[in-house]
Amino acid sequence: QVQLQEAGPGLVKPSETLSLTCTVSNGSMNYYYWSWIRQPPGKGLEWIGYVYYSGSTTYNPSLESRVSMLIDTSKIQFSLKLKSVTAADTAVYYCARGVIAAPGWMAFDFWGQGAMVTVSS
Amino acid sequence: DIQVTQSPSSLPASVGDRVTITCRASQDISNSLSWYQQKPGKAPKLLIYDASELETGVPSRFSGTGSGTDFTFTIDRLQPGDIATYYCQQYDNLPLTFGGGTRVDLK
Repeated sequence: QVQLQEAGPGLVKPSETLSLTCTVSNGSMNYYYWSWIRQPPGKGLEWIGYVYYSGSTTYNPSLESRVSMLIDTSKIQFSLKLKSVTAADTAVYYCARGVIAAPGWMAFDFWGQGAMVTVSS
Repeated sequence: DIQVTQSPSSLPASVGDRVTITCRASQDISNSLSWYQQKPGKAPKLLIYDASELETGVPSRFSGTGSGTDFTFTIDRLQPGDIATYYCQQYDNLPLTFGGGTRVDLK
């Protein structure tokens, strides 16, 4: 069974950069879309973007100017950086494996347990 | 962006009930829709993809139908362990978008 685990600071100061890493175990990264999804407390889910195993990326336009994602298949890890954070970026951040579901893009079949990140001074 | 409107937002039900949730997309998304179950403090779990395909290991009391803009998710014979929030997600176009969620709890 594929497992994903997020890691990173739980508290980030306003205007600084949020950084998270997701480590994948019991599975290959090849041919999957590795995504980040967030959920503000008590609210719904927002897709942030994906990094493909090849390294190509696509981000949600609502966050595109502040987001970057990288993948390191040798370490079986991928990462998220979100710069210039504000209190509105406070959320649980999930990493997830995206699997292409015809005829469209991806559904998410495996998720990490989530990492709570609070933006506060 | 494709908007996905989910209803109702809250659904009180009894054990054994048939529960139905709907999602409406702002444009035709064919059958590019999935359904997730999220229990408090946990990550979402994929239940259904391609509008009606059951993910491996998911009980058959969960089902989904629909195509185009209108979709339905059903739980037959609600069990106590089904108490959760359910989300739909469209994947016809980027950015991927989720419905607002339906909280299913016991009456």
